[in-house]
Amino acid sequence: AQSVTQLGSHVSVSEGALVLLRCNYSSSVPPYLFWYVQYPNQGLQLLLKYTTGATLVKGINGFEAEFKKSETSFHLTKPSAHMSDAAEYFCAVGAGSGNTGKLIFGQGTTLQVKP
Amino acid sequence: GAGVSQTPSNKVTEKGKYVELRCDPISGHTALYWYRQSLGQGPEFLIYFQGTGAADDSGLPNDRFFAVRPEGSVSTLKIQRTERGDSAVYLCASSTPPGTHTDTQYFGPGTRLTVL
Repeated sequence: AQSVTQLGSHVSVSEGALVLLRCNYSSSVPPYLFWYVQYPNQGLQLLLKYTTGATLVKGINGFEAEFKKSETSFHLTKPSAHMSDAAEYFCAVGAGSGNTGKLIFGQGTTLQVKP
Repeated sequence: GAGVSQTPSNKVTEKGKYVELRCDPISGHTALYWYRQSLGQGPEFLIYFQGTGAADDSGLPNDRFFAVRPEGSVSTLKIQRTERGDSAVYLCASSTPPGTHTDTQYFGPGTRLTVL
């Protein structure tokens, strides 16, 4: 069975500082990994995803994540935080058998950006 | 183009009542998912439709929960005899065919259900 653990339910950074949100997964099969962002009163929006191929994945809004199989990790980074990055971030793993694309989500990390 | 829409945005009901939550997926998306997000938690999978049929309903918590998608487009999540523990945000997502592991799911804004 697949699972996701996000380390740190709350992360606070200063504007312009590095953003690092941690995600570790457990999967018995090659994983498909996703990061979603949720702004207040809005639906989840895909930031980036890893399926196969290049392990460094670039997403929207300057975010990127690196798939590290040996560490079972898929941490999300951004070199310089903006105030607009303040939101809830969710890591997820594709968990279905066959052709189902159901996702297993972590508990989320709230990113606070201080001026 | 239009995204996934969900109605109502908020629903307040009393314990024991029946509720229906509606999801309109993106046009042309054959795969549709329902998730439930409790306060402070990540979304939890409930059910997946491929076309009109429920291909995976392993996440439905009990037989009070049921979902339909009769014409392969709009879906309705039905909850009977609601309990206070059912209070959560119910999210709907859709994706392009065939709805596999690698396809991006597009989420609606959710319906916030409060059971008093």
